[in-house]
Amino acid sequence: ETGVTQTPRHLVMGMTNKKSLKCEQHLGHNAMYWYKQSAKKPLELMFVYNFKEQTENNSVPSRFSPECPNSSHLFLHLHTLQPEDSALYLCASRETGTSSYNSPLHFGNGTRLTVT
Amino acid sequence: AQSVTQLDSQVPVFEEAPVELRCNYSSSVSVYLFWYVQYPNQGLQLLLKYLSGSTLVKGINGFEAEFNKSQTSFHLRKPSVHISDTAEYFCAVIRSGGSYIPTFGRGTSLIVHP
Repeated sequence: ETGVTQTPRHLVMGMTNKKSLKCEQHLGHNAMYWYKQSAKKPLELMFVYNFKEQTENNSVPSRFSPECPNSSHLFLHLHTLQPEDSALYLCASRETGTSSYNSPLHFGNGTRLTVT
Repeated sequence: AQSVTQLDSQVPVFEEAPVELRCNYSSSVSVYLFWYVQYPNQGLQLLLKYLSGSTLVKGINGFEAEFNKSQTSFHLRKPSVHISDTAEYFCAVIRSGGSYIPTFGRGTSLIVHP
C-alpha cells in the first residue's frame, strides 16, 4: 500500500474537456511533485511544491494548472489538452529540510491519461 | 549541472542468471545516488540509495549497487534474477548543495525470461 494515493487511475478525455487529477500523501511530507512519464522518453518534472508554495515550473504549458491547498494534497487541473499529452502522470512526495536534503521520493501509482 | 546516463535501454536475461544495470553520472560536486524500480502499472519505488560511507549498498529484493567515484558510476547488480524482477529501473542523482530535486536517467527495461 503506497503512502501516496492518486485518483483516478485511468482517465480518457476529449480535447475540449476539463478534468482534474488528484494526489494525496499520508506520509507527513512537505514537498509534492508532478511528473509526466511518456513512452520512450525520460521522466519529466512538471511542478514542485514545497510547504504549499510552488518552487518549480518546468516550462509546462498553461493547459496544465497545478493546485496545492495544503501539504497533503496536490491537484493537476487539465483543460484543452492535446493528444501528445497522453501519458502516465505521477505524483510524488518527499521530506525536505536541513536534515532531509537527500531523502528519496515516494511515488503514487499514477494516472494513465488518454486524450482523444 | 548534473546528468545521468543509463547505457542500456533494455537488458534481456534468463531467470537465475546474474544481471548488472549500468548508471553513470556527471557532476562537479558531491552527489547522492538512488535506484528506483517501476513494475507495470505502478509508480516508482526506492530500491536502494547511496548517501555516504560504504560504497557497496544493499537494497530490497536482493539488489545491490556500488558507488565508484573515480568512474562516476553506480551500477546495480543482482546475482540471480527472478521472473518477478521484470520491470523498469531508474537511476537518479541529487546534487549536494543544489535544489535537491533528483535528476533521473532514461530507465533500463529488465526483461527476465524463463
